[in-house]
Amino acid sequence: EPEVTQTPSHQVTQMGQEVILRCVPISNHLYFYWYRQILGQKVEFLVSFYNNEISEKSEIFDDQFSVERPDGSNFTLKIRSTKLEDSAMYFCASSVLGVGTGETQYFGPGTRLLVL
Amino acid sequence: SQKIEQNSEALNIQEGKTATLTCNYTNYSPAYLQWYRQDPGRGPVFLLLIRENEKEKRKERLKVTFDTTLKQSLFHITASQPADSATYLCALDDDSGAGSYQLTFGKGTKLSVIP
Repeated sequence: EPEVTQTPSHQVTQMGQEVILRCVPISNHLYFYWYRQILGQKVEFLVSFYNNEISEKSEIFDDQFSVERPDGSNFTLKIRSTKLEDSAMYFCASSVLGVGTGETQYFGPGTRLLVL
Repeated sequence: SQKIEQNSEALNIQEGKTATLTCNYTNYSPAYLQWYRQDPGRGPVFLLLIRENEKEKRKERLKVTFDTTLKQSLFHITASQPADSATYLCALDDDSGAGSYQLTFGKGTKLSVIP
């Protein structure tokens, strides 16, 4: 069964450093998403991406964040200058159709980011 | 935007019993409501979706109900097993304005099935 993959599984970085989290969505999916989950808290939407542009973003997704689909398979989340409060689990997800259609989202295993 | 409340952070039940988890939302009734399972350190896994015009949906030992009057969904696991122990998340399509949506999650209920 096809699945969303994410690399790395764990990332430790120093405050102020840039990090890039990588995802390979399911191949026939058209919508891509990033979520984060701070330890012990709920899964929070960051951004959705369709047709090579951001279709929706939350208040969390400020200028420090950016997303890109550099080729036909990868989808990346960049945090330009990490802060301590960016420490969280970051999940990538993908779906065939967008939110609002009842379409299921398939989540990756996550990248655990620790900012020191 | 919606606020989602899942009735309790943790629920312990005996193996073989039926577990019932509650999800309440505050504002308008969403077109769809979804339930996911999340194991520790893993991503959410989709279980069931129910539409606003559906009262009940079943899949094997799982059952979901949707009451738009009460603004509530119930998630049932019958004949529960220790392998059902996980955190169960309620999620809905939240209209963030101008017809655009984002998937909004509740904090989840951690279910422990005791042998």
